Amino acid sequence: GAGVSQSPRYKVAKRGQDVALRCDPISGHVSLFWYQQALGQGPEFLTYFQNEAQLDKSGLPSDRFFAERPEGSVSTLKIQRTQQEDSAVYLCASSLAGSNQPQHFGDGTRLSIL
Amino acid sequence: SQKIEQNSEALNIQEGKTATLTCNYTNYSPAYLQWYRQDPGRGPVFLLLIRENEKEKRKERLKVTFDTTLKQSLFHITASQPADSATYLCAFSGGWGKLQFGAGTQVVVTP
Repeated sequence: GAGVSQSPRYKVAKRGQDVALRCDPISGHVSLFWYQQALGQGPEFLTYFQNEAQLDKSGLPSDRFFAERPEGSVSTLKIQRTQQEDSAVYLCASSLAGSNQPQHFGDGTRLSIL
Repeated sequence: SQKIEQNSEALNIQEGKTATLTCNYTNYSPAYLQWYRQDPGRGPVFLLLIRENEKEKRKERLKVTFDTTLKQSLFHITASQPADSATYLCAFSGGWGKLQFGAGTQVVVTP
């Protein structure tokens, strides 16, 4: 497709369950980012991939969060043993390489932990 | 650490007027500063990028200024329209291109 695609759009899980969020970036985009957005706040950086290499995971809140991009295209963000504080919108963005490049965002996955 | 501040109160403006949003920061000036628009339930959409050594950038009815002395960027929407109603986010481009966002300012344009 023409833009960044994320699935599912909505996910409801019980506390303690594992969840997996998918991101399909724009074809040819080297850089892929995951962000977490709480209600009324700006997105917060979680992790960054350049092709298949995870170069920065400094924003991941705990070791329950894990991200991968094994073939340098599709990426998955996994959250293990979910907690209520994990409830948020998870945004994926892709771009060409470089800090001067605009990022193209998907519409996010809204995660609700009951 | 860097702090990015945007007006937390919504900006209510009449159609046809100019909306001006501020983005202030506390520490070092970023090499690049970007502005995004976000509609409810949607991801942010890129609008403009301005470099540290640029004073002003324009795109259609949008204008961004960057004052490294004041540590401030201003974002202007001229001849505003109801379709401009959204939340506007400023963001710093850091290492690798990762973005640090402000909390955003909601703009409401009434006919």
